[in-house]
Amino acid sequence: DAMVIQNPRYQVTQFGKPVTLSCSQTLNHNVMYWYQQKSSQAPKLLFHYYDKDFNNEADTPDNFQSRRPNTSFCFLDIRSPGLGDTAMYLCATSRAAPGGTEAFFGQGTRLTVV
Amino acid sequence: QQQVKQSPQSLIVQKGGISIINCAYENTAFDYFPWYQQFPGKGPALLIAIRPDVSEKKEGRFTISFNKSAKQFSLHIMDSQPGDSATYFCAASMSWDKIIFGKGTRLHILP
Repeated sequence: DAMVIQNPRYQVTQFGKPVTLSCSQTLNHNVMYWYQQKSSQAPKLLFHYYDKDFNNEADTPDNFQSRRPNTSFCFLDIRSPGLGDTAMYLCATSRAAPGGTEAFFGQGTRLTVV
Repeated sequence: QQQVKQSPQSLIVQKGGISIINCAYENTAFDYFPWYQQFPGKGPALLIAIRPDVSEKKEGRFTISFNKSAKQFSLHIMDSQPGDSATYFCAASMSWDKIIFGKGTRLHILP
C-alpha cells in the first residue's frame, strides 16, 4: 500500500502560471519534506515541516511556498514557475526520533514548465 | 559541515562483481546514515542504514562499513546484478533534524 502519495504524477504548466503539487501520507509522521530533483542530480531540500513548524532552506527561492493544513497533507505552491523549475518534486516523511529514522519518499511529481 | 561527500559519481561493474561506493562527512553530530536507491522515474527508497555505534551492517548482498574515526562510510554490493543498476545516495542526519544527501552515484552493472 502506498504510504506517501503525490499528485499529480505528471504536470505540465505554462511559464508564470501558478501550480500546486500535493502530498499525503498514511504514516502519521510528524516531519514532511519537499525536495526538488533535477535530472541526474541529488534531491535538493526546499523546506520541511516539523509538525506545524515550517523550516525553509536558505537558498529556496521565494517563488516556492508550502502549506501543511494537517498531519496528513502538505502542498507545494510555485507562484510563478520558470523554465528552470522543470524538475521532479519529491515529498518525503519521517518520524523524528533520537538516532534518526527512515524517510519515506513518494513517487514524485514530474513538473514541466513550458 | 553539513555536507556529505560521495564518490564515485558513476561506476560500472561486471555482473557478479563487488560495487563499492564511498561517503565522507564532517559533522560528528550526525547519528544516522542511510543509503537510498533510486530507479529512473521513481522516488528514492531506503536500502540499508547504520548508526555510529556499529562498524558494519549487512542485509543480504548489501553491507555498510562505518569508520567513525575517519568519518567515512561505504556501501558494498556483493555479487552485483543488472537489477542493481540504479542511482545510490548516501545520506546523514541528526536526531530531530533533516536528512542531508550526497550527490549520488550512478551504478551500471554489465550483464
